[in-house]
Amino acid sequence: QKEVEQNSGPLSVPEGAIASLNCTYSDRGSQSFFWYRQYSGKSPELIMFIYSNGDKEDGRFTAQLNKASQYVSLLIRDSQPSDSATYLCAVDSGAGSYQLTFGKGTKLSVIP
Amino acid sequence: ETGVTQTPRHLVMGMTNKKSLKCEQHLGHNAMYWYKQSAKKPLELMFVYNFKEQTENNSVPSRFSPECPNSSHLFLHLHTLQPEDSALYLCASSQEVVEPQHFGDGTRLSIL
Repeated sequence: QKEVEQNSGPLSVPEGAIASLNCTYSDRGSQSFFWYRQYSGKSPELIMFIYSNGDKEDGRFTAQLNKASQYVSLLIRDSQPSDSATYLCAVDSGAGSYQLTFGKGTKLSVIP
Repeated sequence: ETGVTQTPRHLVMGMTNKKSLKCEQHLGHNAMYWYKQSAKKPLELMFVYNFKEQTENNSVPSRFSPECPNSSHLFLHLHTLQPEDSALYLCASSQEVVEPQHFGDGTRLSIL
């Protein structure tokens, strides 16, 4: 059973701070890693994807991947109240599988 | 016009009814997916279509029947559903399988 684990939160950070969201996965063969943001009552929206070990930056967002530790994280710099949402981590099953396994998500609350 | 359009947005049906959910993508993608999102559970992949061919069926009960007439359209036919089938049903598409997926707004389904 492939698993993707996330702390459900809520994670509360003050406006302007760095929010750090973490995700661990069980399948060592996984190759592709995705972060989605989901506002309440809305559908998931792709924020970042990362395929290689290390950091990938896009604006205020940085994805970090460590395949040896089976760990992927999302950093949000200068957090804004509009970043308040649930963040979903998704991991592929590797070996050409078409399946993504999603975590339950971490609820982030940015306090003005 | 959004990239992935789902209709209807809300559906209430009895257990003996037959209905269909529709998904249309305007992104020129080759892969389409159906997901189920229930409260306090991770997103669950139901079906994957790649170039109109079904490639994954995650042990979904036969009361859910997918149809993909072309790469742009995906249907989910529903019949004799159970109360536990009440959930948000999300359609997604991607250029190729396991590439970043883009979600529609979903259909909120309630079974009476």
